[in-house]
Amino acid sequence: AQTVTQSQPEMSVQEAETVTLSCTYDTSESDYYLFWYKQPPSRQMILVIRQEAYKQQNATENRFSVNFQKAAKSFSLKISDSQLGDAAMYFCAYRVGRDDKIIFGKGTRLHILP
Amino acid sequence: ETGVTQSPTHLIKTRGQQVTLRCSSQSGHNTVSWYQQALGQGPQFIFQYYREEENGRGNFPPRFSGLQFPNYSSELNVNALELDDSALYLCASSLPPAGGTNEQFFGPGTRLTVL
Repeated sequence: AQTVTQSQPEMSVQEAETVTLSCTYDTSESDYYLFWYKQPPSRQMILVIRQEAYKQQNATENRFSVNFQKAAKSFSLKISDSQLGDAAMYFCAYRVGRDDKIIFGKGTRLHILP
Repeated sequence: ETGVTQSPTHLIKTRGQQVTLRCSSQSGHNTVSWYQQALGQGPQFIFQYYREEENGRGNFPPRFSGLQFPNYSSELNVNALELDDSALYLCASSLPPAGGTNEQFFGPGTRLTVL
């Protein structure tokens, strides 16, 4: 079964500091994609960053970067220089290349402390 | 460019009733996916529509059904509502096929409460 596990239900970080959110996944597929989505109180799911499994280089998007460990099936998100606007639920997600459904983890609620 | 919109924003129904939720896809997108997000959980895939036909379905009973119209907008219908159907229902649109690097763009969701 394809599963995504986020072991940290909640995390807090001081503004301007760095925080890492953890995610592990389980799959027997070789062609897949990994995502981190942000869901603020407005409820709209926003794609933060995407990683193709065939790429060894870790994806980065401005202050957001991932640590993709394919053998360990680990996909963590690092947020640098945390800002108040980063406060939200963060979902790790997975999609098999040929499929259209996205499988989400249960989420990590991130609090930013001023 | 217009983003994904959903209506209504909130809805309250009673057990046994039927409900229809609506989604307008982002301009140029002809693929629509629906997800159910229960409180405190991640979204779960219900089904996807492409070219007005169902193109993949998650583990949901037949009382969850959908439609896609020629303008690519979509409806999610739920019959015989149960208390456990209370959730945020998210719609996402994408370019075909949604596999590969094509991103799914999400709407703000419809909050359904079943009493």
